Amino acid sequence: SQTIHQWPATLVQPVGSPLSLECTVEGTSNPNLYWYRQAAGRGLQLLFYSVGIGQISSEVPQNLSASRPQDRQFILSSKKLLLSDSGFYLCAWSQGWNTEAFFGQGTRLTVV
Amino acid sequence: TQLLKQSPQFLSIQEGENLTVYCNSSSVFSSLQWYRQEPGEGPVLLVTVVTGGEVKKLKRLTFQFGDARKDSSLHITAAQPGDTGLYLCAGGESAGYALNFGKGTSLLVTP
Repeated sequence: SQTIHQWPATLVQPVGSPLSLECTVEGTSNPNLYWYRQAAGRGLQLLFYSVGIGQISSEVPQNLSASRPQDRQFILSSKKLLLSDSGFYLCAWSQGWNTEAFFGQGTRLTVV
Repeated sequence: TQLLKQSPQFLSIQEGENLTVYCNSSSVFSSLQWYRQEPGEGPVLLVTVVTGGEVKKLKRLTFQFGDARKDSSLHITAAQPGDTGLYLCAGGESAGYALNFGKGTSLLVTP
């Protein structure tokens, strides 16, 4: 069966510090991978998605970047965090377009 | 990027009541999905609708896809406290587009 792992679960970082959130998927190959951000229990904002190794599409210009060094690994990064980067970050995968998205448990990031 | 509007944003009802939440867009979707999310967790898929006019039932939940595939509704009969959560709709326009989510309806069912 397929599983998705996302870590860490919670993170408190000072303004200006770097960020690295990691997500890995098991039990499937060549998935579509996504990073979403959710503010205060509201809707999901799509940040990045990837259809293959090294391929990244950015939906929103911002202080963040993403990378996909391996087929089932997706990394969200920042060189210098801003207060506005605080939020709940969710990694997800799907097998193709417009199909069910499976989400990780999320990372609660607080920038102080 | 499609814009999905969900209404109402918040809903607080008592156990046993019925409710309907809506998801609307000006775009046509190839499919539309409903998710439920509990605090501190990722969303979990409830249903996918793909055909205009389609109605799907999941126990006390009834999902309907509009004939023009631009809107959808979720009706809950005899709500229970366990139905509490954030209900999100998500749509995909066609292949090559990532799922976009609405802002959700936050439902609270009190005993």
